[in-house]
Amino acid sequence: QEQLAESGGGVVQPGRSLRLSCAASGFSFSYYAVHWVRQLPGEGLEWAALISSDGSRTHYADSVRGRFTISRDNSKNTLYLQMTNVRHEDTAFYYCARDNGTPQGGFDLWGQGAMVIVSS
Amino acid sequence: QLTQSPSSLSASVGDRVTITCRASQSISTSLHWYQQKPGKAPQLLIYGASSLRSGVPSRFSGSGSGTDFTLTISSLQPEDSATYYCQQSYTSWTFGQGTKVEIK
Repeated sequence: QEQLAESGGGVVQPGRSLRLSCAASGFSFSYYAVHWVRQLPGEGLEWAALISSDGSRTHYADSVRGRFTISRDNSKNTLYLQMTNVRHEDTAFYYCARDNGTPQGGFDLWGQGAMVIVSS
Repeated sequence: QLTQSPSSLSASVGDRVTITCRASQSISTSLHWYQQKPGKAPQLLIYGASSLRSGVPSRFSGSGSGTDFTLTISSLQPEDSATYYCQQSYTSWTFGQGTKVEIK
């Protein structure tokens, strides 16, 4: 069964760092680009970052660029999001999502999400 | 930028429901629809504007190209109570603000 499972969420103080992980199983993780998408409490969805299948290309939303780093370890079938200098407005549910692989494909597999709360 | 309408709606079981998504510039057919139920991750329903994902009930359909798109539920069922989002993948990735569908 194809799955993505996030971990590493929690409460973090403003200005501090946190790393999220997303473990993939049931499919060839190294074949797919993957994204991080976040959802503020009670709000809509916001795309945050992309990494290509081989990790050579990354892309970030303006809201996180320079503070967040997306990376992956294909040998461990794991995606990461390193969050630094976090702000109150980073409080959200963070999902990892698999890119279908074509511009017409959408995000066809999602994890269950990890909650990050930025609070002093 | 994607603009969905309405932001919420209430309809009866069996009703035909239509949600629209308008892009600020042409995005060809790089438009996808997701369903999200409370406490759950979004799930892909329609990709490429009109392709039904395998396993999704046939009462869901999508249409449109360029700047104007629609998601239609031909006969609303109780389990369709959810929030629906459109997403474009033509230039980076952005989501519409969502449409909450409730059952009367």
